[in-house]
Amino acid sequence: QSTLTQPRSVSGSPGQSVTISCTGTSSDIGAYNYVSWYQHHPGKAPKLIIFDVNARPSGVPDRFFGSKSGNTASLTISGLQTEDEADYYCCSYAGSYTFHVLFGGGTKLTVL
Amino acid sequence: QVQLVESGGGVVKPGGSLRLSCAASGFTFSDYYMYWIRQTPGKGLEWISYINTGDNTMYYADSVKGRFTISRDNAKNSLYLQMNSLRAEDTGVYFCARDLRRKVSSWYMNFWGQGTLVTVSS
Repeated sequence: QSTLTQPRSVSGSPGQSVTISCTGTSSDIGAYNYVSWYQHHPGKAPKLIIFDVNARPSGVPDRFFGSKSGNTASLTISGLQTEDEADYYCCSYAGSYTFHVLFGGGTKLTVL
Repeated sequence: QVQLVESGGGVVKPGGSLRLSCAASGFTFSDYYMYWIRQTPGKGLEWISYINTGDNTMYYADSVKGRFTISRDNAKNSLYLQMNSLRAEDTGVYFCARDLRRKVSSWYMNFWGQGTLVTVSS
């Protein structure tokens, strides 16, 4: 049971856009559209920001955009704001054989 | 509003046991699948376990299978995680979380607690 692969860090200036990738396999991201993204400010509760690959829960601004191609999911944050600085984790269902949930290793977003 | 409050963390020696609790409020607890997730030092988030609404279907990550047991008491609006044979690598912050959707497993966790710290050290 392995984790999904994310870059350890990304950075951008206020107003810019950044994209965080999340690479899995044909058994998880490639097989299902149960892809989600979580924003985590250290010391606080993680927050669901994307589900079903590209849906946003109520209250999440449309600056956050999710997508998927093959075995790779992506989170794009446009119009970066200082409060976006956080850790971001991708997540995928890993199939009815295991009923497992996989997280990525997390990406630290720094807003310069 | 929805609240999840974990408790029961602490320092324990390798091989020891701990029981974590998660008190839920602000929603109909019995309608939702519930999860335990942990954040270990340097390894990010890791899904540990989930339980269905009726306390009769549970799944575990390979890293804890056979050592951890998830359970719930719908009458007390509470979720539990019994952790036995603890190892140093189990050290981390343990979160309970609620599923996004009522009465089904969506595999998404849209409400999380603040977490409780478990330290396994001799």
